[in-house]
Amino acid sequence: LAKITQPISMDSYEGQEVNITCSHNNIATNDYITWYQQFPSQGPRFIIQGYKTKVTNEVASLFIPADRKSSTLSLPRVSLSDTAVYYCLVGDLGDGNYGQNFVFGPGTRLSVLP
Amino acid sequence: DAGVTQSPTHLIKTRGQQVTLRCSPKSGHDTVSWYQQALGQGPQFIFQYYEEEERQRGNFPDRFSGHQFPNYSSELNVNALLLGDSALYLCASSSRDSPLHFGNGTRLTVT
Repeated sequence: LAKITQPISMDSYEGQEVNITCSHNNIATNDYITWYQQFPSQGPRFIIQGYKTKVTNEVASLFIPADRKSSTLSLPRVSLSDTAVYYCLVGDLGDGNYGQNFVFGPGTRLSVLP
Repeated sequence: DAGVTQSPTHLIKTRGQQVTLRCSPKSGHDTVSWYQQALGQGPQFIFQYYEEEERQRGNFPDRFSGHQFPNYSSELNVNALLLGDSALYLCASSSRDSPLHFGNGTRLTVT
């Protein structure tokens, strides 16, 4: 299993771009990188997933350098409602086989201030 | 299109009792995974069901068991409840071409 390190907490202000970096030095060849967002008393919500280079969707971008030993989740122009815990997961999708290969760490607690 | 639904939303049990939690996966998903999330921690993988069989299991005792039905819905059973079993229990569904989609969980309190 890939060992994952991400900051425990981050503060930002409304309207700023937020970048959360995740380190996964021992990522395996078949591993994908997936980010989830979780609000209190709710289940985690899928944000974005990628394998290499850059992936962008309507809510975020994911940057993955060539060596894939880290990845950065970028949230453009955050608002107060983006205050949440953000989890970086690394694992082999294996035919959609999300299971013990995908380990949640403690996540990054993002606080967006007015 | 309904997402993952879990019931009940909250539950209070006494130590030693047994509990059953239920989950209906997102439409089109055939795999169900269960997670336990203690306060302030990330979700911990309990087990996963596919084609009505337990396919993977995390580091949880046999007191935790489950079942998947032909319609892909699933149950999580916990026997001989301990105070330490108090947590948010999350169900997630997935399929070959879809990432994990989580329900909002069942908050279990053991007194």
